[in-house]
Amino acid sequence: QKEVEQNSGPLSVPEGAIASLNCTYSDRGSQSFFWYRQYSGKSPELIMFIYSNGDKEDGRFTAQLNKASQYVSLLIRDSQPSDSATYLCAVNIRAGGTSYGKLTFGQGTILTVHP
Amino acid sequence: DAGVTQSPTHLIKTRGQQVTLRCSPKSGHDTVSWYQQALGQGPQFIFQYYEEEERQRGNFPDRFSGHQFPNYSSELNVNALLLGDSALYLCASSLGLAGFQETQYFGPGTRLLVL
Repeated sequence: QKEVEQNSGPLSVPEGAIASLNCTYSDRGSQSFFWYRQYSGKSPELIMFIYSNGDKEDGRFTAQLNKASQYVSLLIRDSQPSDSATYLCAVNIRAGGTSYGKLTFGQGTILTVHP
Repeated sequence: DAGVTQSPTHLIKTRGQQVTLRCSPKSGHDTVSWYQQALGQGPQFIFQYYEEEERQRGNFPDRFSGHQFPNYSSELNVNALLLGDSALYLCASSLGLAGFQETQYFGPGTRLLVL
């Protein structure tokens, strides 16, 4: 089982729709979760982070975390063509003691928003 | 506020050669992590430097080594280059004592091609 898995893409949605991106992780002790957006040929850009169960909203983006199910998702409301990118889910794996910092990424989901 | 910077942006090497990549963290950050991203994959953690020491390491051979300087900037060195080392190399900076709330911000990356 992969440490972090994302729903297979690519995902295509019409402009104005809600895009739903999903991610599961294997380490039950994980405490922090991140969503990055990566445009083609560019580096990952942080969109959101979430630490607690429930929803966290930032503009058109909502991150949802369910630690019992080891599941984290990202919803993009009112999707725009400029949202077309690869979305990477990352989990901060604790290495031991108080040392964090090793982000483990999923393989990414390619999102296309068509006009 | 200066973000994470990396140099060079692109690099072409031949098998067996050695390469050094450089990174300056975001202003106020003291920790640097390095990732390798192959085409179509999520970034893979190489190692993290904090207080000039390697704090964590991923599953990469000893050919990959690094260094952190007193000004928090960092270098990634790869010896005896293989064709499979061709990838986008990403540097991320963060605050080392943030615990599970450590949030990493990526630089633009260095694209390495090994021929």
